[in-house]
Amino acid sequence: QSALTQPPSASGSPGQSVTISCTGTSSDIGGYNYVSWYQQHPGKAPKLMIYEVSKRPSGVPDRFSGSKSGNTASLTVSGLQAEDEADYYCSSYAGSKERVFGGGTKLTVL
Amino acid sequence: EVQLVESGGALVQPGGSLRLSCAASGFTFSDYWMSWVRQIPGKGLEWVANIKQDGSHKDYVDSVKGRFTISRDNAKNSLYLQMNSLRAEDTAVYYCARDSFVATSSHWGQGTQVTVSS
Repeated sequence: QSALTQPPSASGSPGQSVTISCTGTSSDIGGYNYVSWYQQHPGKAPKLMIYEVSKRPSGVPDRFSGSKSGNTASLTVSGLQAEDEADYYCSSYAGSKERVFGGGTKLTVL
Repeated sequence: EVQLVESGGALVQPGGSLRLSCAASGFTFSDYWMSWVRQIPGKGLEWVANIKQDGSHKDYVDSVKGRFTISRDNAKNSLYLQMNSLRAEDTAVYYCARDSFVATSSHWGQGTQVTVSS
């Protein structure tokens, strides 16, 4: 059982927006502004999409955005494209436990 | 270009040992914290261990404490994970990763498969 809770699946049509939630506790998401999101295509390594709640690494499209409210973080993908279909994982700094992950959300582009 | 290449994964019996290696290139290895993260096929990610730039600080997930040891050789641009007393639940793909931000891995290797089975 993962420390952070994500919905197992999400979907949207091309051009639409979809939001994936990630719920933790005051010991991880709620206690620090160190939430990250990773995209993983089948058979590939994870790719960093968002760090420190809402920052995008160089090269990540601005269609990807992150936010946080209390113990829940969210990843929003706007203007969905076929290549966005992948698994998405959230992660948070968790103090003495260093880092915890969510169980992952499979995003399907309809 | 940042490159991380893991090696050393294998099939090993329960109770056995294995040493994973990660060769880094394309950046100044000694400037970064490094981590090992694992993934059970078809399942989620789990952070395993990390190590400070000079090797002076190491941290581990509870489930591997006392069994796994992370180390690095900055002269060889290499990261290691010594895994002892392996259990079936350690079966996973192990990724080497560069930590560019707090508790965040910005670059990942392609992974190496570790299978613990009799």
